[in-house]
Amino acid sequence: KAGVTQTPRYLIKTRGQQVTLSCSPISGHRSVSWYQQTPGQGLQFLFEYFSETQRNKGNFPGRFSGRQFSNSRSEMNVSTLELGDSALYLCASSLGNLNEQFFGPGTRLTVL
Amino acid sequence: ILNVEQSPQSLHVQEGDSTNFTCSFPSSNFYALHWYRWETAKSPEALFVMTLNGDEKKKGRISATLNTKEGYSYLYIKGSQPEDSATYLCASYSGGGADGLTFGKGTHLIIQP
Repeated sequence: KAGVTQTPRYLIKTRGQQVTLSCSPISGHRSVSWYQQTPGQGLQFLFEYFSETQRNKGNFPGRFSGRQFSNSRSEMNVSTLELGDSALYLCASSLGNLNEQFFGPGTRLTVL
Repeated sequence: ILNVEQSPQSLHVQEGDSTNFTCSFPSSNFYALHWYRWETAKSPEALFVMTLNGDEKKKGRISATLNTKEGYSYLYIKGSQPEDSATYLCASYSGGGADGLTFGKGTHLIIQP
């Protein structure tokens, strides 16, 4: 079956702009999680959506938001971009907390 | 705040040798422990999900153990091969699964032919 897809794969924005990233999970997976990876840091948890509801949220400012649609596709939005938001953003889908997560290829965001 | 620590940070191993590395996590309110392998230019790939104290899981030459009472997990690779070169990540769910998955910074493994 098709894997997790993320669009776009690469994005360049300038400070102050906003950006929306998209994630399509594996068919049948209702849980979608988002992570940020920056140099020197591990994967940092942003939030998790399950059946259109945000179930968990990591320690990120309110500029980071997300949503999930009825078909389980998820979007992540970052407003008022800062240079420090430059990172690889990964989404992962799963059947639930006790199940392995399947990661997408990521979106590489560069903020200039 | 949940801290997941992995050691060592990086490791060079000769092809054919066996190796292991450690993941430590707060044992209170433990829910599940995940291991992932992340190869360069690819996405992280799940190896194991473990929940019970004393769990041992195996996939080919790779195995893992879990001690939830003392808060650690070991990952073992037997007879290392060049294709084992990758970053190995562990991640823990705590808070009954309500806190999201917290990752360690990984162990970067390089297998030298």
